[in-house]
Amino acid sequence: DSGVTQTPKHLITATGQRVTLRCSPRSGDLSVYWYQQSLDQGLQFLIQYYNGEERAKGNILERFSAQQFPDLHSELNLSSLELGDSALYFCASSEGGEDNEQFFGPGTRLTVL
Amino acid sequence: AQKITQTQPGMFVQEKEAVTLDCTYDTSDQSYGLFWYKQPSSGEMIFLIYQGSYDEQNATEGRYSLNFQKARKSANLVISASQLGDSAMYFCAMRAPKTSYDKVIFGPGTSLSVIP
Repeated sequence: DSGVTQTPKHLITATGQRVTLRCSPRSGDLSVYWYQQSLDQGLQFLIQYYNGEERAKGNILERFSAQQFPDLHSELNLSSLELGDSALYFCASSEGGEDNEQFFGPGTRLTVL
Repeated sequence: AQKITQTQPGMFVQEKEAVTLDCTYDTSDQSYGLFWYKQPSSGEMIFLIYQGSYDEQNATEGRYSLNFQKARKSANLVISASQLGDSAMYFCAMRAPKTSYDKVIFGPGTSLSVIP
């Protein structure tokens, strides 16, 4: 158990809908990262927050947004969902330093029908 | 551009044998970090080992060791005495601060199958 929690574990929805994925980092970790893992794209970094502020942005679509709250939990919002958004979405957390490994949550498997 | 290459899409190893999973990287940064993660069929990502670009010693964690050759830009993972539970996908990753601080890039992964 990494100490990172993600809810829900599975999510099935329809095209055009909007969903919210939630992540609670390990106690004491200030950084939260979001990743998308799909069969064709592999593991793609989406966005990182550090202590409530956006720190780095990767291959995140404009239809996707995220935020980190004062209690350090984070939410990833996916809107106008398309079939291609079906993937495993991971949240990871770290203390925030360069040498710190990231601890991954169990992931949320999103299926868009 | 920062990039991670894992040229072995799939590997087989006999139980109790050692196996090397290849990883090469491309970066113009002088300071960077290299990571290996394991993803079993259950889906979770498990951190295995870390190597900093300025570390003079190769990193080791139990049965895992990282063969770091900086001049060749390679960071191969060596698993000694393979076990059936080592069957999984293995991802090499790099922290690339020059691109944007704390961003991590993952390679495509290598699928390892341990044969009894």
